[in-house]
Amino acid sequence: EAGVAQSPRYKIIEKRQSVAFWCNPISGHATLYWYQQILGQGPKLLIQFQNNGVVDDSQLPKDRFSAERLKGVDSTLKIQPAKLEDSAVYLCASSLLAGGHNEQYFGPGTRLTVT
Amino acid sequence: QKEVEQNSGPLSVPEGAIASLNCTYSDRGSQSFFWYRQYSGKSPELIMFIYSNGDKEDGRFTAQLNKASQYVSLLIRDSQPSDSATYLCAVQGGYSSASKIIFGSGTRLSIRP
Repeated sequence: EAGVAQSPRYKIIEKRQSVAFWCNPISGHATLYWYQQILGQGPKLLIQFQNNGVVDDSQLPKDRFSAERLKGVDSTLKIQPAKLEDSAVYLCASSLLAGGHNEQYFGPGTRLTVT
Repeated sequence: QKEVEQNSGPLSVPEGAIASLNCTYSDRGSQSFFWYRQYSGKSPELIMFIYSNGDKEDGRFTAQLNKASQYVSLLIRDSQPSDSATYLCAVQGGYSSASKIIFGSGTRLSIRP
């Protein structure tokens, strides 16, 4: 079974530029998550989709971040314009609800550096 | 108050010994508990999950859950250098696919030869 795919793996941009990340979840997983992980911290949820609907985006900085999951499969996360503090690893995860429990599986992540 | 708390470490354990990692959570209604291992520069990998009070064993790993004390732990027996990583505790608040999952900041574990 193929895992969660993400691209690109690395990205370096200047502040005020825009960037987009792509994620393809494990086949059949209805729930998709985008996390931001800053060095030394645990993953912080940015947005959670159930199929193509948003379940939770309470921690998404909506003035600069946007995300979509068209057709309920793959997803894109965009930052425009980027700030220095957006430098982090952006992780995508997917889960299959099993008996009420969401076991999440992560992609390899995208390391973003904003200069 | 942090919702999921872990000691950041580093926790240094000699090879072959038992490593004990602890996690406390604030939401008494939490239902599902996960342990992820994260090697430096890699993404988190699910290694254990526990949903009921008590112990759950899988190979060298044992997860322990005490909902009354709001405490979950991970024991690693016969620790190996390859166990050196950051261990993240994650807690799910309910039973639906919309339930929020919150991660702790992780405990860095170092196994010394």
